[in-house]
Amino acid sequence: GAGVSQSPSNKVTEKGKDVELRCDPISGHTALYWYRQSLGQGLEFLIYFQGNSAPDKSGLPSDRFSAERTGGSVSTLTIQRTQQEDSAVYLCASSLGDRGGGNTIYFGEGSWLTVV
Amino acid sequence: GNSVTQMEGPVTLSEEAFLTINCTYTATGYPSLFWYVQYPGEGLQLLLKATKADDKGSNKGFEATYRKETTSFHLEKGSVQVSDSAVYFCALSGHSGNTPLVFGKGTRLSVIA
Repeated sequence: GAGVSQSPSNKVTEKGKDVELRCDPISGHTALYWYRQSLGQGLEFLIYFQGNSAPDKSGLPSDRFSAERTGGSVSTLTIQRTQQEDSAVYLCASSLGDRGGGNTIYFGEGSWLTVV
Repeated sequence: GNSVTQMEGPVTLSEEAFLTINCTYTATGYPSLFWYVQYPGEGLQLLLKATKADDKGSNKGFEATYRKETTSFHLEKGSVQVSDSAVYFCALSGHSGNTPLVFGKGTRLSVIA
C-alpha cells in the first residue's frame, strides 16, 4: 500500500497476556519508529530502527517491551505480560534514510491496545 | 536533551477567528521543526515543517516560522474553520540523520460555527 500499515487496529487483551503489534512501513523507507500515545500523555518515543544499524531502544519503558525488524521492512512490537498501564495507541512511523534531520516521518493509524 | 513545550489546550475558537498555538523548543545544534495534526478518528499527518532558521512552513492556510533567537515555532492561521478542529503537535528532530521526533503534548483545537 501507499502508507504505513499497522495491525491489528484494535486489540483487547487480558492482563498478563502477551501481545504482538505489526507494522508494515512505506516501501523504500529505511527508518522505522514506534511511539506510544496515551490519553493526556502526548506521544512517547519507544524504539527506532535505521537500516542495518543497532536499534535505538532508549524509549522502551521496561524489559517487557521488545521490537524486531525483519529484513529491513516489517516490524513487530511485542509486549509481554501486559499490564493495564500498557493500554494506549501504539503508532508506527517510517521515513527515508538518505537525508539529514529534515526527513518527513509518516505515521500509520495506530493499534489501539486495551488491557483488561 | 531535546524537548518541546507547547501551549496546553483545549483551545476553543469561533469560525474565522485567528489562531496561535505556541511552541518553544530546547535542542542542541540546528534541529528541524514540524507541526503534525491528528483529525478525529485519523492518524497523525504532517501539517508543515521548517528545516533551518527563518524558514517558514505553510500548508492549508497554516504558517509557522522557525525562530532560532526565541527557539520558537508558533503555529498560526488567520481564519480557522470548523474542519480545523483537531489535535496539533509540535515536534523536532535532531540535526543529523534520521533521529526520532520529539513531540510536545499536543493542543486540542475546537472550532465552533
